[in-house]
Amino acid sequence: AQSVTQPDIHITVSEGASLELRCNYSYGATPYLFWYVQSPGQGLQLLLKYFSGDTLVQGIKGFEAEFKRSQSSFNLRKPSVHWSDAAEYFCAGGTSYGKLTFGQGTILTVHP
Amino acid sequence: GAGVSQSPSNKVTEKGKDVELRCDPISGHTALYWYRQRLGQGLEFLIYFQGNSAPDKSGLPSDRFSAERTGESVSTLTIQRTQQEDSAVYLCASSLRTTSGASTDTQYFGPGTRLTVL
Repeated sequence: AQSVTQPDIHITVSEGASLELRCNYSYGATPYLFWYVQSPGQGLQLLLKYFSGDTLVQGIKGFEAEFKRSQSSFNLRKPSVHWSDAAEYFCAGGTSYGKLTFGQGTILTVHP
Repeated sequence: GAGVSQSPSNKVTEKGKDVELRCDPISGHTALYWYRQRLGQGLEFLIYFQGNSAPDKSGLPSDRFSAERTGESVSTLTIQRTQQEDSAVYLCASSLRTTSGASTDTQYFGPGTRLTVL
């Protein structure tokens, strides 16, 4: 069965520190991969997506993610976190069909 | 342009009552999805509409759940005889499918409807 796993339920970082959120996938073939962010009371906003080609994907708000086939991972990174980045982050996978499978989410807390 | 809209934003109902949740997708988007997000959990796929094709209902948790879509516009998710475990945020998303059918497009999400069943 297709699955997406986010091993970390909650991560706390200091403002200005670097960030890496982990995502692992299990699919029969390479899925399309996405990272979404959900701020309190807000809908999901797409940060970035990977379909094919360059394995390092740049997104909005200074985020990037790297697709590693050998590790079945698609980790999200940011070199310097801002207090406004505090939110819940979801990794999701899809196939040519369109339906997305989401991970459980990682809550990011940013300390001043 | 306008994004995906959903109504109501909040719905409180009593156990056993029926509820209807509405989704207005982005104009021109042919694909529409419903997801459910329970407290502290990720999103669960419920149902998917694509143009005039038969919807994919494989994610609906029980026959109390149903959904309709009129053409490529509004969709309504109906939950009959609500139970407390139905309490969740119900999210709608829409996307513009390519003519080849490949889903390299992006799903845009609405703000959700928070359903509370007492």
